[in-house]
Amino acid sequence: ETGVTQSPTHLIKTRGQQVTLRCSSQSGHNTVSWYQQALGQGPQFIFQYYREEENGRGNFPPRFSGLQFPNYSSELNVNALELDDSALYLCASSLDNQGNSPLHFGNGTRLTVT
Amino acid sequence: AQSVSQHNHHVILSEAASLELGCNYSYGGTVNLFWYVQYPGQHLQLLLKYFSGDPLVKGIKGFEAEFIKSKFSFNLRKPSVQWSDTAEYFCAVKRSSSASKIIFGSGTRLSIRP
Repeated sequence: ETGVTQSPTHLIKTRGQQVTLRCSSQSGHNTVSWYQQALGQGPQFIFQYYREEENGRGNFPPRFSGLQFPNYSSELNVNALELDDSALYLCASSLDNQGNSPLHFGNGTRLTVT
Repeated sequence: AQSVSQHNHHVILSEAASLELGCNYSYGGTVNLFWYVQYPGQHLQLLLKYFSGDPLVKGIKGFEAEFIKSKFSFNLRKPSVQWSDTAEYFCAVKRSSSASKIIFGSGTRLSIRP
């Protein structure tokens, strides 16, 4: 089975710019969650999408937004980038939106904001 | 706010030593508990989980964890570690009432001396 794939692997942006990160979920998984992992920290929940709708959100401002497509792939968009947005962004897919099945993580996108 | 604490940031052990990694959480209601592991160069993956029932749960590769409700703890143990256990370990908690939001601790880096 194909695992979770994320693109790009690395990205450098300037403060104030906008960025789109992409995620293909594991085959058969209908739920996608996005996490931000700063250096030396654990992953922080940004939001979750289930059947193309946002299904829960962490403490992130509205400039963090997302989409899920009919094939369950997903995008994370961040507007007006700030230096503190520099982090590893992880996508995880799962079989259900209740947290009962394991999260399957991708390798992440490393975003650097200068 | 709900939080997860992993007090050991870096643990160094010799092969065959016993391991215990601490995890405490702050939420008083019903929770689901997880340990995730990230081996060098690999993505995060589930090691074990507790939802209900026997508070001593067994995971892959000989790991186990014990849920002690009165102590708000979910410590990870392994009787005899191997060099291949070198990895970063993350404890995570989800409120049973929350469909989506899983909160991760900051992680413990485990280094095993061969």
